[in-house]
Parts: sequence; C-alpha cells; structure tokens
Amino acid sequence: EADIYQTPRYLVIGTGKKITLECSQTMGHDKMYWYQQDPGMELHLIHYSYGVNSTEKGDLSSESTVSRIRTEHFPLTLESARPSHTSQYLCASIPAGTVLEAFFGQGTRLTVV
Amino acid sequence: LAKTTQPISMDSYEGQEVNITCSHNNIATNDYITWYQQFPSQGPRFIIQGYKTKVTNEVASLFIPADRKSSTLSLPRVSLSDTAVYYCLVGDRSSGYSTLTFGKGTMLLVSP
Repeated sequence: EADIYQTPRYLVIGTGKKITLECSQTMGHDKMYWYQQDPGMELHLIHYSYGVNSTEKGDLSSESTVSRIRTEHFPLTLESARPSHTSQYLCASIPAGTVLEAFFGQGTRLTVV
Repeated sequence: LAKTTQPISMDSYEGQEVNITCSHNNIATNDYITWYQQFPSQGPRFIIQGYKTKVTNEVASLFIPADRKSSTLSLPRVSLSDTAVYYCLVGDRSSGYSTLTFGKGTMLLVSP
C-alpha cells in the first residue's frame, strides 16, 4: 500500500487568509498531482509536477500555486482564500515506469467562511 | 489523450454481477486502459489495468475486445460496499505523458 499523506484533513478558515495544503509521499514518485473536487462532481486537475522544480497548471484555472522543492513534498497554497475555494482537494502521485497507476491521499476538505 | 465515454449511472442488487462499459474509440497503440473506484469523500483508488484481452485480479475483471475501442469492467457478486463512482482512463507512459484526467465516471448504486 502506498504512503501519500495530506494535511490537514479538514480546514475551516476565514476569507482573505493565506493557507497551505500539504501533500507528502514517501515512495520517491516523480509525478504528483493536485485535484479539486466538489461533492458529487468530477475531479478537476489544477496542478501537476514532473519532478523537483517542475510545476504545470492543469485543466482547471485555479488561483492556487504549488511548489516542488523536494521530491516528497508538493504543497498547494492559496494566498487569499475565498468562499469559492470551498471544495475537496486531492493529491496524487504516480510511480515511475507505470501507466496511470496513481495513488491518492485522503484529501483535504476546505471550507472558507 | 483518448476521450472516454461511460454511462452516468447504473443500479444493481447485492449478489449480482455488474458490467460497466467504457468507449474509447480513438485509443492509441500505446494506450493502456485503467479503472478507478472512488467512495464519497475519499480519493480514487486504482482497481485494474489492461492492454488487451482479459485481466483479472482479486477485485474485478477487465475485458478488452480485439479492436480495443471499448472495455468492460466486471464486478462479480457486488455488495453494498461496492456503491461508488467508477472511472475509466486511457493513456500511455511514452512521450512524457503526464496528465491524469478523470471524466464524469459511472455512479454505481448497489441496493439490498
């Protein structure tokens, strides 16, 4: 079983606050992804990374930013949270040499009030 | 990236076999077919992957016809706990393929 961790699991925060959602994996995977998903809706890719110092925007326009300074960590930051950012955020990683065999974290449920 | 089409929802009863078909008419030669399962408030979980013919594991079977333009995920004797959304993805690992794109998936509801 893969080890990919997201913290916090739940977060309620006020409008205008800066927040960072953490994602860590201990498997040495190069490819990592962030998704946004509202209840009952599709997963939308918002950022991905091929490896250290590599980040790309995904299909869904997002006001968030990401960084990849270390292989294990792929944090997502919202500089100024808004109620429209309320959603579930899911992090995933893929082992090298595999095809679409991603491992997902448990997710962070963010509520901006 | 090959586009996939699946039914939006399916209903079944406990103990029945469920078959979910995914269409991928423009699948490329190097593409693999992968299925995921997602429970509410959790991240998707990899179920099974195949390239051609049939693949079986402890969870499901995957049937892929010779033309590979569709695939069928088969869940034997479903239980209530199999109620989830099932996603079909198609892609390869060559040429720097890096995006992992999920469609709407199929919502499977298993009733007693």
